[in-house]
Amino acid sequence: GQQLNQSPQSMFIQEGEDVSMNCTSSSIFNTWLWYKQDPGEGPVLLIALYKAGELTSNGRLTAQFGITRKDSFLNISASIPSDVGIYFCAGRAFGNEKLTFGTGTRLTIIP
Amino acid sequence: DTAVSQTPKYLVTQMGNDKSIKCEQNLGHDTMYWYKQDSKKFLKIMFSYNNKELIINETVPNRFSPKSPDKAHLNLHINSLELGDSAVYFCASRDSVTYEQYFGPGTRLTVT
Repeated sequence: GQQLNQSPQSMFIQEGEDVSMNCTSSSIFNTWLWYKQDPGEGPVLLIALYKAGELTSNGRLTAQFGITRKDSFLNISASIPSDVGIYFCAGRAFGNEKLTFGTGTRLTIIP
Repeated sequence: DTAVSQTPKYLVTQMGNDKSIKCEQNLGHDTMYWYKQDSKKFLKIMFSYNNKELIINETVPNRFSPKSPDKAHLNLHINSLELGDSAVYFCASRDSVTYEQYFGPGTRLTVT
């Protein structure tokens, strides 16, 4: 099945740094969702976006719905150890029951 | 209260056996899903049910049979387990207005 192109695939950063990741699609989406998965757990919804250009924050996390409706971005400011995990984007096209998931970005914080 | 729960958390079994995974959601959603996550962490949709009716079946072998006794439950039965079935299986339910999906904690299936 289709998967969204998510980059970077992995990130190694120091605590306190800001993080940026993005997701691109070949087709237009009406909804973008960002999830975080901790080891041994299920993905947890972080932010949901519904309009092109929309910018939404959840604490230190900010996500944007790209103007072209084919991409989305997630930023994390001032990273802390509990930010470690795998971040997934997911998009939904109009009239589609399915979410298409990105390939994931694995975030590691270097001591 | 756990919104989406799955049992068991871990399942270790031998090739050829039949096993079931159960899922329950208390969010009042009409639509539920089963996903498979492989070792590379790719999330692949398998099935979706809306109010006890199958609406998505993503080219999954016939050995996999979902069953939804009511809209709060979606179980997954797997016959004649194979080594390639080893993965983490996630159940999810969906808000009918926002289309946001909420995931269970996963069931790690290991076939030996």
